[in-house]
Amino acid sequence: EAGVAQSPRYKIIEKRQSVAFWCNPISGHATLYWYQQILGQGPKLLIQFQNNGVVDDSQLPKDRFSAERLKGVDSTLKIQPAKLEDSAVYLCASSSQGTGQPQHFGDGTRLSIL
Amino acid sequence: AQKVTQAQTEISVVEKEDVTLDCVYETRDTTYYLFWYKQPPSGELVFLIRRNSFDEQNEISGRYSWNFQKSTSSFNFTITASQVVDSAVYFCALSGVDTGRRALTFGSGTRLQVQP
Repeated sequence: EAGVAQSPRYKIIEKRQSVAFWCNPISGHATLYWYQQILGQGPKLLIQFQNNGVVDDSQLPKDRFSAERLKGVDSTLKIQPAKLEDSAVYLCASSSQGTGQPQHFGDGTRLSIL
Repeated sequence: AQKVTQAQTEISVVEKEDVTLDCVYETRDTTYYLFWYKQPPSGELVFLIRRNSFDEQNEISGRYSWNFQKSTSSFNFTITASQVVDSAVYFCALSGVDTGRRALTFGSGTRLQVQP
């Protein structure tokens, strides 16, 4: 079974530029999550999708971050414009439907803002 | 609000020692799930175990064991006879059961260094 795929693996941009990350979840997984992991901290949820609908985006900084999962499969997370504090690893995870299903994570995208 | 506390920031042991990683959680939910994940230097979070709030049986998997105590809101993780390959950051996490509460709330992690 193929795991969660993310790209790019690394990205370096200057502040105020825009950036996009892509995620392809495990086949058949209805739920997709984006987390932000700042160095030395645990991951924090940005947004949760169930199929192509948003379940929770309460912690997404909507003035600069956006995400979509148009066909209920892969997803894109965008930052525009980037700030220095957005330097982090962006992790995508997916799980099958149902309570307590373990989330499976991709390798993440390490974003550095200059 | 949910909260997970991993008070041990970093632990260093010598190979073959036993080590216990502590996890304390807070939640108002009566039903919830607890998880442990391993994050090796490569960065990917690897799922280790899931426990639901109604199952307080301890679990053993090879050199790994988990002690869930609802009375003290703790879910501790023990590695027996540690090996260098166990060196990683370990995260404890908590989730609810409703669709909108299934995202994981992570602790800040414990970095384990196993010296040869």
